[in-house]
Amino acid sequence: KAGVTQTPRYLIKTRGQQVTLSCSPISGHRSVSWYQQTPGQGLQFLFEYFSETQRNKGNFPGRFSGRQFSNSRSEMNVSTLELGDSALYLCASSLTPTAADTQYFGPGTRLTVL
Amino acid sequence: GNSVTQMEGPVTLSEEAFLTINCTYTATGYPSLFWYVQYPGEGLQLLLKATKADDKGSNKGFEATYRKETTSFHLEKGSVQVSDSAVYFCALRLNTGTASKLTFGTGTRLQVTL
Repeated sequence: KAGVTQTPRYLIKTRGQQVTLSCSPISGHRSVSWYQQTPGQGLQFLFEYFSETQRNKGNFPGRFSGRQFSNSRSEMNVSTLELGDSALYLCASSLTPTAADTQYFGPGTRLTVL
Repeated sequence: GNSVTQMEGPVTLSEEAFLTINCTYTATGYPSLFWYVQYPGEGLQLLLKATKADDKGSNKGFEATYRKETTSFHLEKGSVQVSDSAVYFCALRLNTGTASKLTFGTGTRLQVTL
């Protein structure tokens, strides 16, 4: 079974631009979560989607948004990029949002903001 | 709020040495507990998990036991290899309403030398 895939793997943007990242979950998984990883802040939760509905949102500004499609694929968007948005963005999928279900991670998208 | 505390790294060991990485948690409720591993340039891989008190998770020679009385989930391996060099993250996942998210520790870098 194919794992979680994320595209693109690498992105370079400049301040003020916007970016869209894509995530395809493991087949059959309906819950998708996004995390930001930086050296300073570690791994921080962004959002969680299940059945096309945002179920949970982390403490990030409104410039960060996301959505989930009927096939469970998910996208996240960051508008008006800032230098501090440079990070590895990780997507994870699980069967359901239940705590006992394991979240499986993709390889991440490395975003660099210049 | 919920939190995970891991021992500071880096941890440097010789091959075949015994490994312990300490992890303690604070949670309002009964979380599921996970260890993830991250190799350079990659996403997170699930190493093992435990979903209730006294459960022992194990995989690839690594073990961790869910200790509710000490709120701990320490990772152990009897004989480490150079290929175990990576960053290890302890995490908890707790059901909150209709969703749950992973809360991570800061990660512990392990370096194994010949």
